Amino acid sequence: GDSVTQMEGPVTLSEEAFLTINCTYTATGYPSLFWYVQYPGEGLQLLLKATKADDKGSNKGFEATYRKETTSFHLEKGSVQVSDSAVYFCALSAGTGANSKLTFGKGITLSVRP
Amino acid sequence: GAVVSQHPSRVICKSGTSVKIECRSLDFQATTMFWYRQFPKKSLMLMATSNEGSKATYEQGVEKDKFLINHASLTLSTLTVTSAHPEDSSFYICSAQVDSRSGNTIYFGEGSWLTVV
Repeated sequence: GDSVTQMEGPVTLSEEAFLTINCTYTATGYPSLFWYVQYPGEGLQLLLKATKADDKGSNKGFEATYRKETTSFHLEKGSVQVSDSAVYFCALSAGTGANSKLTFGKGITLSVRP
Repeated sequence: GAVVSQHPSRVICKSGTSVKIECRSLDFQATTMFWYRQFPKKSLMLMATSNEGSKATYEQGVEKDKFLINHASLTLSTLTVTSAHPEDSSFYICSAQVDSRSGNTIYFGEGSWLTVV
């Protein structure tokens, strides 16, 4: 079945450091790929997505490129801020309509210190 | 923007009792709602998919008689954990799907922490 593997956490960085969070997936067909973020006390929010190979999703300074050859969707940000501290989930969706359920990775906690 | 509200955010119940968690879409109608649970250091696992007015579709390994899902309206779905046991303690989160011509959009609730003592 479909699966998503994220790097082990937690991750602690200093402000303005470069961030990479690895994500690889296994799926049949051509899934859509997502990064969700959960800030403390809030629900998951869609951060960015990519729906086909070589697409780059971007939002709030974060980027991730859909790499079909390596089945990866690594999240990057050039300069993190304290406000980026949150839990980040990589996910995929291999269906549409009522079948567009998401398969999530374990999530990784990012802490950014001033 | 679209908001999905879950209630309660935290609940503690005694073993053997039942507890209900509500998931509401506040400013839109959701054709489909999903329920997930997450164990510590594990992925969010899909439990079931529910469509308004019909029975929920449960994922393999999820006991439908234990985790009762009712999707009474296009804005409300409830998850009832019946005869709860300590191993049911977990983080439960719902999501609501909006279908449009440009595709599906999914919004998540804040999640509910259940502790069974």
